[in-house]
Amino acid sequence: NAGVTQTPKFQVLKTGQSMTLQCAQDMNHNSMYWYRQDPGMGLRLIYYSASEGTTDKGEVPNGYNVSRLNKREFSLRLESAAPSQTSVYFCASSEVEGVVTDTQYFGPGTRLTVL
Amino acid sequence: LAKTTQPISMDSYEGQEVNITCSHNNIATNDYITWYQQFPSQGPRFIIQGYKTKVTNEVASLFIPADRKSSTLSLPRVSLSDTAVYYCLVGMDTGRRALTFGSGTRLQVQP
Repeated sequence: NAGVTQTPKFQVLKTGQSMTLQCAQDMNHNSMYWYRQDPGMGLRLIYYSASEGTTDKGEVPNGYNVSRLNKREFSLRLESAAPSQTSVYFCASSEVEGVVTDTQYFGPGTRLTVL
Repeated sequence: LAKTTQPISMDSYEGQEVNITCSHNNIATNDYITWYQQFPSQGPRFIIQGYKTKVTNEVASLFIPADRKSSTLSLPRVSLSDTAVYYCLVGMDTGRRALTFGSGTRLQVQP
């Protein structure tokens, strides 16, 4: 099993450009999440999907959109990138939605720089 | 989720035991305590979880006193590869929300 995979690993954008970060998991998990991590900081939740067909805003959703394409895939889109969105983006999945006792499995991250 | 307080950073040497304490004064009755580890340039990884007393696995031990207002992650005989950021999370069923990570404790292990 590959676990949680993310593409691309690195990306440089100019202000105003758009892009989609891809995430896929092969563990048959119901819930998936997108976090961002700024330098020296903890992770902050952007959006999550409790189950296929549902998405909800997290702590910092502004400037982002998401799509839960199917049970395996959860994408994050930046419609008009801004320098404040320079960060490392992590995708995660868990078997059960919203339960802290349930382990979250994280991908390797996408390092995004917006110039 | 209950608010947690951890030291910002810690230093240790190879072979030593490292104890990282997390304070969570407003922990609720049903809350569990969970620790994640994050290596540089990687996503966080689950280490250990407990409710009360002591939990041990192949990686670490978690000590939780009777009042549960704090917990201590213990890493026995650390090596250079244990250099990472360690996050303490407290909570249970958060409804339709997910994990809340603080800034964590940055552990630096030196030879």
